[in-house]
Amino acid sequence: NAGVTQTPKFRILKIGQSMTLQCAQDMNHNYMYWYRQDPGMGLKLIYYSVGAGITDKGEVPNGYNVSRSTTEDFPLRLELAAPSQTSVYFCASSYVEGANVLTFGAGSRLTVL
Amino acid sequence: GQNIDQPTEMTATEGAIVQINCTYQTSGFNGLFWYQQHAGEAPTFLSYNVLDGLEEKGRFSSFLSRSKGYSYLLLKELQMKDSASYLCAVRDSNYQLIWGAGTKLIIKP
Repeated sequence: NAGVTQTPKFRILKIGQSMTLQCAQDMNHNYMYWYRQDPGMGLKLIYYSVGAGITDKGEVPNGYNVSRSTTEDFPLRLELAAPSQTSVYFCASSYVEGANVLTFGAGSRLTVL
Repeated sequence: GQNIDQPTEMTATEGAIVQINCTYQTSGFNGLFWYQQHAGEAPTFLSYNVLDGLEEKGRFSSFLSRSKGYSYLLLKELQMKDSASYLCAVRDSNYQLIWGAGTKLIIKP
């Protein structure tokens, strides 16, 4: 099992450019999440999905979009990149039952200049 | 508002014991998690508490007091590889996770 796979690991964008962070999991998890992590701050939820075809906003959704066409994939789209979107992005997934423990991807470090 | 407080940084000696505290004020409570995050890596799950008391897992233990809004993570027989950030997270009444900023633990020989 690969777990949660994120690509790319690093990316530099210019202001106004767009890009998609890819996330795939092979654990048949129902729930998937996108977080951003900024220095000195807790993880912030951007978007989440409870199953294919269902997505919902988290705490900081502005400037981002997601889709969930399959159970495995949960891409995060950044439209019109801004310096405030410079961050480390983590995709995570979890199984709905029990403690609902998150399994994280390795992270994507994005810099917007 | 919802808030998770934990110390920013702690230093301990190899072989010793360290306790990392976490206090929380959230809208409801449906469990408290501790995750470990090595520099430049993803968080990994350490422990989960939903009832008051101590949960022990090898060298790591986690304690919860719901009435006090308080938890701690106890690490025994510290090893250099324990140098990492430790993240406290609480699941609120909407089953959303609220995360603390993390405690960076530095282990010295």
